[in-house]
Amino acid sequence: NAGVTQTPKFRILKIGQSMTLQCAQDMNHNYMYWYRQDPGMGLKLIYYSVGAGITDKGEVPNGYNVSRSTTEDFPLRLELAAPSQTSVYFCASSSVTVNQPQHFGDGTRLSIL
Amino acid sequence: DAKTTQPNSMESNEEEPVHLPCNHSTISGTDYIHWYRQLPSQGPEYVIHGLTSNVNNRMASLAIAEDRKSSTLILHRATLRDAAVYYCILRDHPSGGATNKLIFGTGTLLAVQP
Repeated sequence: NAGVTQTPKFRILKIGQSMTLQCAQDMNHNYMYWYRQDPGMGLKLIYYSVGAGITDKGEVPNGYNVSRSTTEDFPLRLELAAPSQTSVYFCASSSVTVNQPQHFGDGTRLSIL
Repeated sequence: DAKTTQPNSMESNEEEPVHLPCNHSTISGTDYIHWYRQLPSQGPEYVIHGLTSNVNNRMASLAIAEDRKSSTLILHRATLRDAAVYYCILRDHPSGGATNKLIFGTGTLLAVQP
């Protein structure tokens, strides 16, 4: 019962460094999502994907890139880390059936110093 | 996108019922009402959703007003493990097809006292 797995759980980056946040799901879900959550706030959608090879921007895509080469994996790339990207990042997945719930990972806590 | 309004915080006593309100006066006819909750240091988890009729599941009940401009999430007997942020969300229906996107607000922080 792995569900949605995110790695790493914690990371500290220096300004200007790059990194990839990993997300994998084992539920054969077509839809996958990346959110960020700043302290005391709700989640904001960064990017989403409706299937392998198809991605689209969400509400706050600037500074991030994604790819979806397989159904299972949806990595999020930060190219030039900035302090404003300090946040908790959540990956989620859902099936294509209308109104099916999203299943979330436990998050990656990222600090940019 | 239709928005929701929730109180910032609520308190409850353990083993008592909790009624979490949500206003969504601009809801469209095809918007479903979804509830998620987020326990401390965890990702959100699905609680329940509905369209027009009241809904029940093992976690909670959802009462939807007849005009659909408001709804209430009901926890029948609060436990300490129910302390979380509860989000009331109208599921986004963009033109061209549904993608199950969710738009989160700031939710209601529920504190449960022993």
